[in-house]
This record gives sequence, C-alpha cells and structure tokens, in this order.
Amino acid sequence: QQQVRQSPQSLTVWEGETAILNCSYEDSTFNYFPWYQQFPGEGPALLISIRSVSDKKEDGRFTIFFNKREKKLSLHITDSQPGDSATYFCAASAQGTGSKLSFGKGAKLTVSP
Amino acid sequence: EAGVTQSPRYAVLQEGQAVSFWCDPISGHDTLYWYQQPRDQGPQLLVYFRDEAVIDNSQLPSDRFSAVRPKGTNSTLKIQSAKQGDTATYLCASSRGQGYAEQFFGPGTRLTVL
Repeated sequence: QQQVRQSPQSLTVWEGETAILNCSYEDSTFNYFPWYQQFPGEGPALLISIRSVSDKKEDGRFTIFFNKREKKLSLHITDSQPGDSATYFCAASAQGTGSKLSFGKGAKLTVSP
Repeated sequence: EAGVTQSPRYAVLQEGQAVSFWCDPISGHDTLYWYQQPRDQGPQLLVYFRDEAVIDNSQLPSDRFSAVRPKGTNSTLKIQSAKQGDTATYLCASSRGQGYAEQFFGPGTRLTVL
C-alpha cells in the first residue's frame, strides 16, 4: 500500500521554466514532509522540507506548497536548470516516528537547454 | 566531513547465495538506517538503529535478512539465500538524532540476483 503518491512520474521542462511536482498522502498523522533529490548512481539528498504547521516553505528556487485539508503538497522549481535534472522523491513521517520515512515512487525531471 | 560510506558498490549473485553489505556512517551520527530501493521506486525502510539498539525492524524480512550495529558505529546488512526479488539498491543513511533530523544517504550497493 503506497502511503505517499507522486505525480507526474516524469516531467520535461525547458530551461528557465517552472517545474511542478505533486505529492499526496493518506495518513492524517503525517506531519513532516521532506523532498529528496537523487542523481543516477548516488543516494538521495535532502533538498527541502516542511512541517504540517506551515503552508509554504521556500529555499532559493525551490518552494513547497502544503495543503493540510486536502493532504496534498507540491514542489515548485523556478528558473529550472539542466543541473536540476534528477529524480525527486516526496517523503512523509508521522509525529513520534519522525525517523520512519515513507517515500513516494519518485518523479523524474528532465530540464532541456 | 566524510559522507556515508558503503561497500561493495555492486554485487551479482545466483539465487540461494548469501551477501553482506557494509556501512560506515558519518562520524558522530547515532542513528543509522538501511533502505531497499527497487529500480524506479522510492527507498523503503528496512531497519534502523540508535547506537547499537534496533529501534524498528518491522519491515525487515527476518527469515533471510539480518542487520547488526554491534558498537554503535559501522553496520552490516546480510541476506541469506538471496532471491531474484531482492534485486535492488541497498542504501544506508545516518542522522544525528531522530525525529526531524536530516538523513544523509550513502551511494548504495546495487545488488543483482540472477
């Protein structure tokens, strides 16, 4: 049973455009949502995260929008660069089990120059 | 600061063979995680330790998988009698503390079971 769902599975944008990656979840006890970036042959690396008390988190070109009522969140990458081409994972954990992350299946982003 | 180190980077086995994966976490990180990442999927937590103690191994197939962290530093994940369904990348991660602490991942060991 997939607790965290991501869409689309793959996305291609032109350099300079905004890429939007979506994530949804079922478990209402989830309260921490990190996004990880993974390049081929490497392990995932934390990109940005948000807790459920916030509805927006920004870090440079990366922004998370969070809708607790709808159990949805999205990652916006503005001014996309070819170096952003990677697989992005949405993850979630519940209060009291913060170390126990549930990952989505990932979204492969390709940024064309 | 050195990152999480894993070895070997690749392993190819026949069904029924055993294999061990080794992980050296970031110095000072008390929490260590093992994940299984099938091809084109997200990581799935198998087991995690705080120091030498297992905190959660509920997703570890206990009949064939085992994991230890005897001194609270390095860790070994072992698969006895591997199956084709075990083909995946095995990732080790570490963090300082638990909860919302950032998990730092190693490069993984890519296992192929023929």
